[in-house]
Amino acid sequence: AIRMTQSPSSLSASTGDRVTITCRASQGISSYLAWYQQKPGKAPKLLIYAASTLQSGVPSRFSGSGSGTDFTLTISCLQSEDFATYYCQQYYSYPSFGPGTKVDIK
Amino acid sequence: QVQLVESGGGLVKPGGSLRLSCAASGFTFSDYYMSWIRQAPGKGLEWVSYISSSGSTIYYADSVKGRFTISRDNAKNSLYLQMNSLRAEDTAVYYCAREGSSGWYPLPYWGQGTLVTVSS
Repeated sequence: AIRMTQSPSSLSASTGDRVTITCRASQGISSYLAWYQQKPGKAPKLLIYAASTLQSGVPSRFSGSGSGTDFTLTISCLQSEDFATYYCQQYYSYPSFGPGTKVDIK
Repeated sequence: QVQLVESGGGLVKPGGSLRLSCAASGFTFSDYYMSWIRQAPGKGLEWVSYISSSGSTIYYADSVKGRFTISRDNAKNSLYLQMNSLRAEDTAVYYCAREGSSGWYPLPYWGQGTLVTVSS
């Protein structure tokens, strides 16, 4: 099974900040990597797939990069609606998710 | 638009059974693979099971293998998860999600989830 790790597990930031979250796979997954945003009581929302492709309707302040084992999600200018938990997911094989990164208000 | 609506969750005793359903609409259900994903209270996401469009290919996470059975009825646009021998650690919100038309895909469509609580 492919294990996914994320760092940090949580971070505090202010509106307007640039935020970067890292995801690492235990083995190479090419670009079969997605990022999700989840707010309390809601289902996850797909933000990025294929490591760097923005899902339709997602603001351009979200971007993704990486391939192989190391990936990043960047929010260029944090907005109030971006405070949430973010998960990475590999779909190279049996899907697995990272443990999540909670972004809260500083 | 694509809609997925789960039902069937509730409180069940350890060792008991429960059957979850997911009603799909807004797309040709029989063309897409489907998955169940769960989330324990305050925890992260865990993929549970996956079924191909025809039902001929099925996978399970090791944590549920031998206890859970995924199935689908394409005529009824419905996905199911039969959960037997339930344990406290199966307590979670269970989501159904639409995969792609083959293989593994990112998940743009999720249901709202149904809560399963396993407790005596």
